Amino acid sequence: AQSVTQLDSQVPVFEEAPVELRCNYSSSVSVYLFWYVQYPNQGLQLLLKYLSGSTLVESINGFEAEFNKSQTSFHLRKPSVHISDTAEYFCAVSDQVSSNTGKLIFGQGTTLQVKP
Amino acid sequence: GAGVSQSPRYKVAKRGQDVALRCDPISGHVSLFWYQQALGQGPEFLTYFQNEAQLDKSGLPSDRFFAERPEGSVSTLKIQRTQQEDSAVYLCASSLGSLGSPLHFGNGTRLTVT
Repeated sequence: AQSVTQLDSQVPVFEEAPVELRCNYSSSVSVYLFWYVQYPNQGLQLLLKYLSGSTLVESINGFEAEFNKSQTSFHLRKPSVHISDTAEYFCAVSDQVSSNTGKLIFGQGTTLQVKP
Repeated sequence: GAGVSQSPRYKVAKRGQDVALRCDPISGHVSLFWYQQALGQGPEFLTYFQNEAQLDKSGLPSDRFFAERPEGSVSTLKIQRTQQEDSAVYLCASSLGSLGSPLHFGNGTRLTVT
């Protein structure tokens, strides 16, 4: 079984400041890793994913996450946030063994509040 | 094209009533998933379809929960004899089904059981 822990429920930050949203996972098998974002009054959207290869993955809007196998982490970072980044962010894993790779285990979510 | 569509957007049911929640996935997506999201929590997996076949229903919390996708497109999640603990947002997602295909989520149905 897998589990995901997002260490911060809320992260307030000023505009143009850097931010890191932390995610740790536990699993007895290899996993795929995801970050989803939920903007106010919208559905969940995939932000970025790690399947294999380079451990550093990037999104089109400036976020990046690094898979650290030894620390079982997949922290999300952005060097300079915008007001429009205000949203709920969810870290998720799925195991590589199951035929149902859409069965995601989500963390509790982190609310990123960007202040002007 | 259109994204995943869920209806109704909001549903209020009295305890003991049956409810039916509808999901219209993206055209051509073979995989369909239902998730339950309680207030302040991340989504939790309920069940998975590949076309019309329900391949995984390990997350359904009780036999009061039933899902179907008879023609491999639209899916319905039915909850019988609703209880207050069933109050949550029910999310539907679809994908192409290949490895690494992203899940496309609908906006969800918020169910409140009074």
